[in-house]
Amino acid sequence: GEDVEQSLFLSVREGDSSVINCTYTDSSSTYLYWYKQEPGAGLQLLTYIFSNMDMKQDQRLTVLLNKKDKHLSLRIADTQTGDSAIYFCAETVTSGTYKYIFGTGTRLKVLA
Amino acid sequence: NAGVTQTPKFQVLKTGQSMTLQCAQDMNHNSMYWYRQDPGMGLRLIYYSASEGTTDKGEVPNGYNVSRLNKREFSLRLESAAPSQTSVYFCASSYSAQRFSSGNTIYFGEGSWLTVV
Repeated sequence: GEDVEQSLFLSVREGDSSVINCTYTDSSSTYLYWYKQEPGAGLQLLTYIFSNMDMKQDQRLTVLLNKKDKHLSLRIADTQTGDSAIYFCAETVTSGTYKYIFGTGTRLKVLA
Repeated sequence: NAGVTQTPKFQVLKTGQSMTLQCAQDMNHNSMYWYRQDPGMGLRLIYYSASEGTTDKGEVPNGYNVSRLNKREFSLRLESAAPSQTSVYFCASSYSAQRFSSGNTIYFGEGSWLTVV
């Protein structure tokens, strides 16, 4: 079945790196996404990775994809208090028409 | 830039009451979606509309109806609200629901907080 799993909480100190992990089930996913949700707001796209890539770097963000293990991670370098939010990974599933399957979200708390 | 706009932002309903959540997008997107977000469960798809004139059930459609009024607007209706429908509802849109591409990402509204008592 389609399922995306994430740990629910992560706490890091300001200036440290954060690593948020995600596992997904559909090996045919073509794009995998990371979204950020700040309190009281909707989800905003952070970054995405195409399935034929192993890594994508975008300023402080690094996305790693291990297709064999169906594992996706988001690394935030030099984590700041403004990075405190819920982070969702999402896989894309094509079955007739496509849809996004979101994980449960990881709440990142950055300690000053 | 408005993007995806949904109303109301907050609503309290009594069990059995009905209400409609409104959503509009100004990005000329073909596809629109309604999700609900519950603690520890991520986002679950209620209904989606791949294009104007079509609607399809998602993962959790029971207790809801939708209307794709035109290309811009996609409403979600609760005919007889139940406490289990207390949730945060998100409308979203994307260019297409038929293919993926790097530019075909999904954009979300700010959310509607619904409490059914």
